[in-house]
Amino acid sequence: QSVLTQPPSVSAAPGQRVTISCSGSSSNIGNNYVSWYQQFPGTAPKLLIYDNNKRPSGIPDRFSGSKSGTSATLDITGLQTGDEADYYCGTWDFSLSARLFGGGTKLTVL
Amino acid sequence: EVQLVESGGGLIQPGGSLRLSCAASGFNFSKYEMNWVRQAPGKGLEWVSHISASGRTVYYADSVKGRFRTTRDNAKNSLFLQMNSLRAEDRAVYYCVRAVTGDYWGRGTLVTVSS
Repeated sequence: QSVLTQPPSVSAAPGQRVTISCSGSSSNIGNNYVSWYQQFPGTAPKLLIYDNNKRPSGIPDRFSGSKSGTSATLDITGLQTGDEADYYCGTWDFSLSARLFGGGTKLTVL
Repeated sequence: EVQLVESGGGLIQPGGSLRLSCAASGFNFSKYEMNWVRQAPGKGLEWVSHISASGRTVYYADSVKGRFRTTRDNAKNSLFLQMNSLRAEDRAVYYCVRAVTGDYWGRGTLVTVSS
């Protein structure tokens, strides 16, 4: 069981908006930057969001991140079938001296 | 272009040892912290180890502490993961990942621990 809690799955229709949550504690999300990753089957994860809300070059602005207290959120708007993937949050935990990942959320675009 | 290429994976018996390598190119390797992250078949991401840019500071996940050792050779732009006392539960794809943010990932190398 992951220290960072994500919903196992979310779904929405094309064109709609979906939100993926990542819940932690003061020793991780509460005091560190959060990153989000997208992973398609059989491929390596790809960075979507870093430092809570920054997008690397090439990531569409349909993807956005935010953080409040000990929780972080990934928002995806204008859903496309090509967004179907697994999404992971990640951050450092200063109490454990360890990098943490959420358990992952499978996005289905209906 | 940033590239991270892992190698060294394969089939190993329980209790055995394996050394993974990651060849980095396209960036100033000596300036970046690096990580190893693994993913068991059908499972989520699991952080394994983090090493500072200089190599002087290393952190490990509890699941591998005392069995795995991460080192780097900045002169050769290479990252290493020495894995000893391997267990069935260490079976996974091992990724070499740049920086705290994980901005670049290699394609991974598969480690299978089985008799």
